[in-house]
Amino acid sequence: KAGVTQTPRYLIKTRGQQVTLSCSPISGHRSVSWYQQTPGQGLQFLFEYFSETQRNKGNFPGRFSGRQFSNSRSEMNVSTLELGDSALYLCASSLDTSGRNYEQYFGPGTRLTVT
Amino acid sequence: AQSVTQLGSHVSVSEGALVLLRCNYSSSVPPYLFWYVQYPNQGLQLLLKYTSAATLVKGINGFEAEFKKSETSFHLTKPSAHMSDAAEYFCAVEGNAGNMLTFGGGTRLMVKP
Repeated sequence: KAGVTQTPRYLIKTRGQQVTLSCSPISGHRSVSWYQQTPGQGLQFLFEYFSETQRNKGNFPGRFSGRQFSNSRSEMNVSTLELGDSALYLCASSLDTSGRNYEQYFGPGTRLTVT
Repeated sequence: AQSVTQLGSHVSVSEGALVLLRCNYSSSVPPYLFWYVQYPNQGLQLLLKYTSAATLVKGINGFEAEFKKSETSFHLTKPSAHMSDAAEYFCAVEGNAGNMLTFGGGTRLMVKP
């Protein structure tokens, strides 16, 4: 079974621009979560989508948004990019049929650099 | 609310020596606890998880962890380190919201020949 895939793997953007990152979960997985990893703040939860609905949200500004499609693929968008948005963005998928106790499988991440 | 503290941002051991990476957690609900490993330029790989069954959990690559409620700890161990174990290790707790992991700051393990 194919793992979680994320595209693109690397991205360079300029301050003020917007960016869209894509995540394809493992086949059959309905939950997709996004995390931001930076040297200073570590790994932080952004949001989680389940059956096309945002189920959980972390403490990030509204510039960060996401969505999930009917095939469980997910995208996250960051508008008005700031230098501090430079990070590795990780997507994770989970089978999750009853809320807890399901492992999250992570993709390789998208490395975003904002200049 | 949940939180995780990993003591020691860097740990260095000799090849063949015991690996001990420390993790303490705080959780308002019975926790589900995880250890992940991250190799350079890669995502996170699940090593093992605790979900309220056996307190001693065995994972991949010879790693295991013991859940100690009285100490709110979930330390990761491996009897004999291998050069390929050099990586960054993250402890995480999942609260009652489901699929929302709170990570510790990570511990970079270095293995000396």
